[in-house]
Amino acid sequence: SQELEQSPQSLIVQEGKNLTINCTSSKTLYGLYWYKQKYGEGLIFLMMLQKGGEEKSHEKITAKLDEKKQQSSLHITASQPSHAGIYLCGADPPGGYNKLIFGAGTRLAVHP
Amino acid sequence: DSGVTQTPKHLITATGQRVTLRCSPRSGDLSVYWYQQSLDQGLQFLIHYYNGEERAKGNILERFSAQQFPDLHSELNLSSLELGDSALYFCASSPYVSGNTIYFGEGSWLTVV
Repeated sequence: SQELEQSPQSLIVQEGKNLTINCTSSKTLYGLYWYKQKYGEGLIFLMMLQKGGEEKSHEKITAKLDEKKQQSSLHITASQPSHAGIYLCGADPPGGYNKLIFGAGTRLAVHP
Repeated sequence: DSGVTQTPKHLITATGQRVTLRCSPRSGDLSVYWYQQSLDQGLQFLIHYYNGEERAKGNILERFSAQQFPDLHSELNLSSLELGDSALYFCASSPYVSGNTIYFGEGSWLTVV
């Protein structure tokens, strides 16, 4: 079965610093989703990537999917306290149906 | 606000009991998904319904069942509850059966005591 591994598990950065979170799949990714979650709250959709080499940006967050479609990165530029939370990558397994599997998440803290 | 509504937000119940969690998808969305999030298991897919029909099953226990009604709202029934069932249960919805963004509700916190 497909597994998603996220790194690092947790991250503490100073406000204004850049950071990168990685998501690696054991199999080819057919759809890669990034979500953000505040503890105990719902998941907020950030971005979806489908094509190898695809890159999307929203405000200060950029997500990329590598050419082989087995790794994705989420990059935050000039981090702010509002970026703090848990970042989860999710992926469509082969088969076409939306039963997303998720990585364990990366906990981000941004200190002023 | 994702547009996905879940009730109740919090629920405390005793072992052996049965509860029903309710989900209203975003307007126009035909797919509904249920996920369970616990500290030790992370976010786990339970089940997917599309336009009233079950389309995919994940790690859903036999004590759990779900359905999607003609008005597209969905219910997740959890019975013979055990302490280990304590978790945050999410409902999510999307317009079609696959290949599109899934939007999550705020979740229902279930505590089994």
